[in-house]
Amino acid sequence: DTEVTQTPKHLVMGMTNKKSLKCEQHMGHRAMYWYKQKAKKPPELMFVYSYEKLSINESVPSRFSPECPNSSLLNLHLHALQPEDSALYLCASSLHEDSDYGYTFGSGTRLTVV
Amino acid sequence: KQEVTQIPAALSVPEGENLVLNCSFTDSAIYNLQWFRQDPGKGLTSLLLIQSSQREQTSGRLNASLDKSSGRSTLYIAASQPGDSATYLCAVRDSNTGNQFYFGTGTSLTVIP
Repeated sequence: DTEVTQTPKHLVMGMTNKKSLKCEQHMGHRAMYWYKQKAKKPPELMFVYSYEKLSINESVPSRFSPECPNSSLLNLHLHALQPEDSALYLCASSLHEDSDYGYTFGSGTRLTVV
Repeated sequence: KQEVTQIPAALSVPEGENLVLNCSFTDSAIYNLQWFRQDPGKGLTSLLLIQSSQREQTSGRLNASLDKSSGRSTLYIAASQPGDSATYLCAVRDSNTGNQFYFGTGTSLTVIP
């Protein structure tokens, strides 16, 4: 298995809703990442998990809450989002955070906040 | 802070042409550079990964080169096809700032049949 799987592929949520994005990989990668991408812009790093511990939080608002229950799974819990949070949310993984290995990205979750 | 720039921002070529996409970065302290392809509204597909000690990597019709000292990489696509139409992103893994990954601004490629 050489994939990063993200679910759901599309999500529409109201500003008072609570939802979660899920990311899964079975490549034995120990670093996992959340990125946010707005239209026609490059991805922006949100969070880095290394060996299931939060390694980097790029000053992301608390309405985004990451969770790494085990080495294969990464969640992003969403609560009280704003319309400007609408974007493509990408998950990625790499063998280690500090390795020479490249990243493998998932296909993303297209989030629309109404 | 590492800054990664891609030129041109958009490129339109007729099918069959060979083409070159450019990526430049400001700090040569990198672990590696990775080229990705992104189709509209989709995730990133890794094309080539070049380690800092390498000069180039090849995969099929794609060839990527790296000149770390001058802060440049090129992605060469031979005999372009309409299916190559996508946005191409380069990203460098910076060794100064906790191994963070910095993305370029992207080149939007259209191959006209």
